[in-house]
Amino acid sequence: GNSVTQMEGPVTLSEEAFLTINCTYTATGYPSLFWYVQYPGEGLQLLLKATKADDKGSNKGFEATYRKETTSFHLEKGSVQVSDSAVYFCALSEGSGGSNYKLTFGKGTLLTVNP
Amino acid sequence: DSGVTQTPKHLITATGQRVTLRCSPRSGDLSVYWYQQSLDQGLQFLIQYYNGEERAKGNILERFSAQQFPDLHSELNLSSLELGDSALYFCASSVGLARGTGELFFGEGSRLTVL
Repeated sequence: GNSVTQMEGPVTLSEEAFLTINCTYTATGYPSLFWYVQYPGEGLQLLLKATKADDKGSNKGFEATYRKETTSFHLEKGSVQVSDSAVYFCALSEGSGGSNYKLTFGKGTLLTVNP
Repeated sequence: DSGVTQTPKHLITATGQRVTLRCSPRSGDLSVYWYQQSLDQGLQFLIQYYNGEERAKGNILERFSAQQFPDLHSELNLSSLELGDSALYFCASSVGLARGTGELFFGEGSRLTVL
């Protein structure tokens, strides 16, 4: 079955530090890949996505590139801010016929950014 | 605001009781998904409905059931509650037609505490 493995946290960084959160996946077929973010007390929000190999998703200074050869989708940001403190989830989805897009999530990585 | 509405936001009940969680998807979304988030299990997919029909089932216990109504809102029923059912229950919706890339829109969750 499908699975997502992401680096265990928590990750603690100082403001303006470089961030990498590793994510690898196992899937049959050609999944779409996502990073979701969950701020304290809130639901999950889509951060970025990539739908095919070599696509780069980007949003709010975050980037991730869909690497089929290494089955990876690592999240990066060049300079983190305190407001980036949240839990980050890597996820994949596979669906057919447009009616079934179940997401499989990693366990989440808690990021804390200190001023 | 994702456009997905979940009620109630918080619920405290006793073991053995039954509760119903309600979800209204984004306008136009036909698919509804239920996820359970707990500290030890992470985000677990429970069940998906598409236009009123069950489409995919995950790690949903037999004590739990769900349905999607003609107006597309969904309810998750949890019965014979146990302490271990305490968790955050998320509803998500998606476009669900032959377009889109599996992006889900999450509600803010219903936090269930079983005492």
